[in-house]
Amino acid sequence: ETGVTQSPTHLIKTRGQQVTLRCSSQSGHNTVSWYQQALGQGPQFIFQYYREEENGRGNFPPRFSGLQFPNYSSELNVNALELDDSALYLCASSLSGANVLTFGAGSRLTVL
Amino acid sequence: QQPVQSPQAVILREGEDAVINCSSSKALYSVHWYRQKHGEAPVFLMILLKGGEQKGHEKISASFNEKKQQSSLYLTASQLSYSGTYFCGTEITPDMRFGAGTRLTVKP
Repeated sequence: ETGVTQSPTHLIKTRGQQVTLRCSSQSGHNTVSWYQQALGQGPQFIFQYYREEENGRGNFPPRFSGLQFPNYSSELNVNALELDDSALYLCASSLSGANVLTFGAGSRLTVL
Repeated sequence: QQPVQSPQAVILREGEDAVINCSSSKALYSVHWYRQKHGEAPVFLMILLKGGEQKGHEKISASFNEKKQQSSLYLTASQLSYSGTYFCGTEITPDMRFGAGTRLTVKP
């Protein structure tokens, strides 16, 4: 059984640029959630995707958007990057109806 | 609102015990505990459902008091491998809200 994989692991962008982060969910999981983790903080919920549709959203602006594909993999897109977007972005997959999350190791984004 | 964890950090010697607390201002139906080692993904430890049930994972156990809206994680006879940051999470479906974490360091 494969776990959750994320790419890229590290990336550096400048303010105003756009970024796409990718996530492959654990085999058998149909739900993907994205979290932002600032240094020294707990993960903050961005949104969740189920059956290729957004199924809930945290307190993040519309420039944070996502997709889920038929194979349950997912993308997180962030437009017009700001310095405060620098963080570890975690993807977590789960089975609908069961909220136990399996996390990937994350993508560390640095915005200069 | 995020749950509040205490303490923020703990330093132990191998074999010592520790307690990490998690409290919420909102009614809780379940509490999750995760551990994140430096540079790694958070890993699920256990989930507690309302009813004051105590669960265990190796020498790590937890309790949940839904009336007090609190959960506690108990680490007994700590091992070096227990080092990491522990997060409690509360479900606000579909959201999981995490505390700021408790950094646990176990020294030889």
